[in-house]
Amino acid sequence: AQKITQTQPGMFVQEKEAVTLDCTYDTSDPSYGLFWYKQPSSGEMIFLIYQGSYDQQNATEGRYSLNFQKARKSANLVISASQLGDSAMYFCAMREDNNAGNMLTFGGGTRLMVKP
Amino acid sequence: DAGVIQSPRHEVTEMGQEVTLRCKPISGHDYLFWYRQTMMRGLELLIYFNNNVPIDDSGMPEDRFSAKMPNASFSTLKIQPSEPRDSAVYFCASSLAWARAGGYTFGSGTRLTVV
Repeated sequence: AQKITQTQPGMFVQEKEAVTLDCTYDTSDPSYGLFWYKQPSSGEMIFLIYQGSYDQQNATEGRYSLNFQKARKSANLVISASQLGDSAMYFCAMREDNNAGNMLTFGGGTRLMVKP
Repeated sequence: DAGVIQSPRHEVTEMGQEVTLRCKPISGHDYLFWYRQTMMRGLELLIYFNNNVPIDDSGMPEDRFSAKMPNASFSTLKIQPSEPRDSAVYFCASSLAWARAGGYTFGSGTRLTVV
């Protein structure tokens, strides 16, 4: 079974609008961390935002926020005021703190394209 | 810190040749990971080390792949012999244990093409 599912292979958004990228996860571990990475066309992996399973508030980092719904096992990334430079692949990842060591497991990614 | 350093950035080799990818993790990080990225399979973990010791190599596709970490500042991923289906981007990443925000740092990747 997929541990991380990103159901949107590709998305378009108009510049300056907000966009939500979906991520659902599957784990029986009560302690875990959720990460979002951006991969522009140049190929590097850029960390965006982190949410711990015990964190009470949704994480925010500048224009990025994470809509964490623990009961639904979803961790959607919200990008506000999209910019042309936001066009990239976006990956959701999870680390299970007790079950699976210290590694990250990635979803299949969503390609976001920002239209001018 | 210069971040995670991988070399080479690009490698083109002929089928059957040996390929060695190199990684220098961030100083002080005690975990090192090798990932492979392809269109078909996405980002998949190949192997990871903790304090230079291989912990989980279940993602290594077959015996043609091997990885070593002789010291805390250097790791190699070797493919011998290489095959066209090994063509991919190989990422090295390092982290501290149970890192939170920003704790996993990726190198720029090595794009391998086997012809």
